[in-house]
Amino acid sequence: DGGITQSPKYLFRKEGQNVTLSCEQNLNHDAMYWYRQDPGQGLRLIYYSQIVNDFQKGDIAEGYSVSREKKESFPLTVTSAQKNPTAFYLCASGTDRGTTEAFFGQGTRLTVV
Amino acid sequence: EDQVTQSPEALRLQEGESSSLNCSYTVSGLRGLFWYRQDPGKGPEFLFTLYSAGEEKEKERLKATLTKKESFLHITAPKPEDSATYLCAVQATDSWGKLQFGAGTQVVVTP
Repeated sequence: DGGITQSPKYLFRKEGQNVTLSCEQNLNHDAMYWYRQDPGQGLRLIYYSQIVNDFQKGDIAEGYSVSREKKESFPLTVTSAQKNPTAFYLCASGTDRGTTEAFFGQGTRLTVV
Repeated sequence: EDQVTQSPEALRLQEGESSSLNCSYTVSGLRGLFWYRQDPGKGPEFLFTLYSAGEEKEKERLKATLTKKESFLHITAPKPEDSATYLCAVQATDSWGKLQFGAGTQVVVTP
């Protein structure tokens, strides 16, 4: 089955720790994205990548880092510099042809304890 | 700056009671407008893409329309399984691949 897989589904982090969220896709999409969703707010773009070994900051990149070493994978690290990391994180992918419809994974809920 | 505003924030419907959700947008040039459905604790599920004013798309009980300033998602004779949050997003012509999302409309359909 083609799709986007995010893991883990739930993640707990102690203050001061870095954590990495996994995102893998087998849709052969060039573009991948990370969004953050908070209650009552729209999805906000953290980072995006158009191609392997290249990525760009989105609207709220501070305290996050990414890598894109393989077309299929786009992991997100939430660093200790992110002051309010508790949120629902969504990974998406899309083609790079004209209008880009993004297809989403099932999300990772990160909670700081 | 691109902006997307969805209304109402929440909508409670009786089964069979048709209604419409609104998505108003401000964008320098529209490449596409997208509708998604999101169930609690899940990722958004793609529904429609609209490209130009006057365009309409349908899927089961859902119909999306587009004007130059807003889009409507009409839900005809809804069923309880249509309960979800509906998200609208726009892609501007000068912002490669990036989607600007509204906050969503939470729809609850009661039997």
